[in-house]
Amino acid sequence: DADVTQTPRNRITKTGKRIMLECSQTKGHDRMYWYRQDPGLGLRLIYYSFDVKDINKGEISDGYSVSRQAQAKFSLSLESAIPNQTALYFCATSGAGLAQETQYFGPGTRLLVL
Amino acid sequence: AQSVTQLGSHVSVSEGALVLLRCNYSSSVPPYLFWYVQYPNQGLQLLLKYTSAATLVKGINGFEAEFKKSETSFHLTKPSAHMSDAAEYFCAVSPSGGYNKLIFGAGTRLAVHP
Repeated sequence: DADVTQTPRNRITKTGKRIMLECSQTKGHDRMYWYRQDPGLGLRLIYYSFDVKDINKGEISDGYSVSRQAQAKFSLSLESAIPNQTALYFCATSGAGLAQETQYFGPGTRLLVL
Repeated sequence: AQSVTQLGSHVSVSEGALVLLRCNYSSSVPPYLFWYVQYPNQGLQLLLKYTSAATLVKGINGFEAEFKKSETSFHLTKPSAHMSDAAEYFCAVSPSGGYNKLIFGAGTRLAVHP
């Protein structure tokens, strides 16, 4: 079984709808991250969490919110989806959170906002 | 501020030829550097990372990269390309002394033709 899972893998929604993307991990890591990937822009950090009670904004948090329900679960919400939020979204985890730590990525959720 | 520049959004090589993917970074503190690979419809997977132990870093699948401080570069190479190397490759920087917050380049898509 995969260490980092994301649901759904694909989602089509309409402008103005609220949607939630979910991430679960079995690696036992404390740190979790949400990124979005856009062609030609690489990955950009949306939010990150160092533990259940510690959530931080990343580079592009506007229009997004997150919830860390447990050590293993980290959800990303789009309160009112807009077309420019169409992207590939990745969840990642890491261990100690030190700068040299490897991040482990889920398979991604492809989101289309019409 | 830290940043990463990957020269060439698309690189095409013949099977058996040398692979060279370029990455230059900007960092105000000594960086840790990473190369990740993304195969079609999959998440990112770590290829290798530089954490100041040795300037020449060997990774999985025959890839290696050399940290050159004077050139602020961390180019990825493989002596002989294989068809299975076709993927998108991302260089990322994480500034030392801080938390694990990766800053990604825009990515380079590698095509390998017979």
